Amino acid sequence: SQQGEEDPQALSIQEGENATMNCSYKTSINNLQWYRQNSGRGLVHLILIRSNEREKHSGRLRVTLDTSKKSSSLLITASRAADTASYFCATDRNYGQNFVFGPGTRLSVLP
Amino acid sequence: DAGVIQSPRHEVTEMGQEVTLRCKPISGHDYLFWYRQTMMRGLELLIYFNNNVPIDDSGMPEDRFSAKMPNASFSTLKIQPSEPRDSAVYFCASSVQGFDQPQHFGDGTRLSIL
Repeated sequence: SQQGEEDPQALSIQEGENATMNCSYKTSINNLQWYRQNSGRGLVHLILIRSNEREKHSGRLRVTLDTSKKSSSLLITASRAADTASYFCATDRNYGQNFVFGPGTRLSVLP
Repeated sequence: DAGVIQSPRHEVTEMGQEVTLRCKPISGHDYLFWYRQTMMRGLELLIYFNNNVPIDDSGMPEDRFSAKMPNASFSTLKIQPSEPRDSAVYFCASSVQGFDQPQHFGDGTRLSIL
C-alpha cells in the first residue's frame, strides 16, 4: 500500500467551517508536503514540514506532524468555496521512488 | 514569473502512434519531474532529472516510455508505441533542489489513447 494515505477520502462542509484532513505513513521520513489540486489543474504546493518540526502555519492553513504516530494533519480554518479541491500529502524518505503521494482527500466547501 | 509550461494540454491519438509530451520548467530550477495521474493508481513519479541528467527512471512503466532533457529549459516524455492503458494525465514539475523543496507543477497533458 502507499506510503502516505489521506483520511477521509472525501469531506463536505459548509463555508466558514474548519476542515481537517489527515495523512498517515509507514516509515520514517525526511519531510512531508501538502499540495492542493483544483479540477483540471496541476498541483499547488501548500506547506512543507520537516521531520524535526511539529507545526507550521501559512495563512488559514495549519499543518502538524507527529513522527511517533507517523501522521500529519492539515487544518483549513474558516473555509471558503474556493478551497474546494483535492488535497494530497507527499512523503519523502530519501530520493527517487521514496517520494510518494497519497490518494488524496476531496474537499467540497458548500456556500 | 512564468510557471511550468506543458504542451499539448490535450492529446487524443490512436493506439500504436508515437506520443510526445513537452515541458518547459521554471528558469533556475535544477530538478525536473515527470508524473502520471490516473484514478486507479493516483500520482506516480515516472522519472526525474537533475541538471538535465536522468537520476532515477525506475518509475517508467515500460521500455515504450522514454524521457529526455536536452537542455535546462526543455524536456520531453515520449511513448512509442502508445496503448490505451497509457491514457492518463501527465504532469511535469520542477524544483530548485529536489525533494527537499516545493515542486511547481504544470497544468498537465490529458492523454487519451483510443
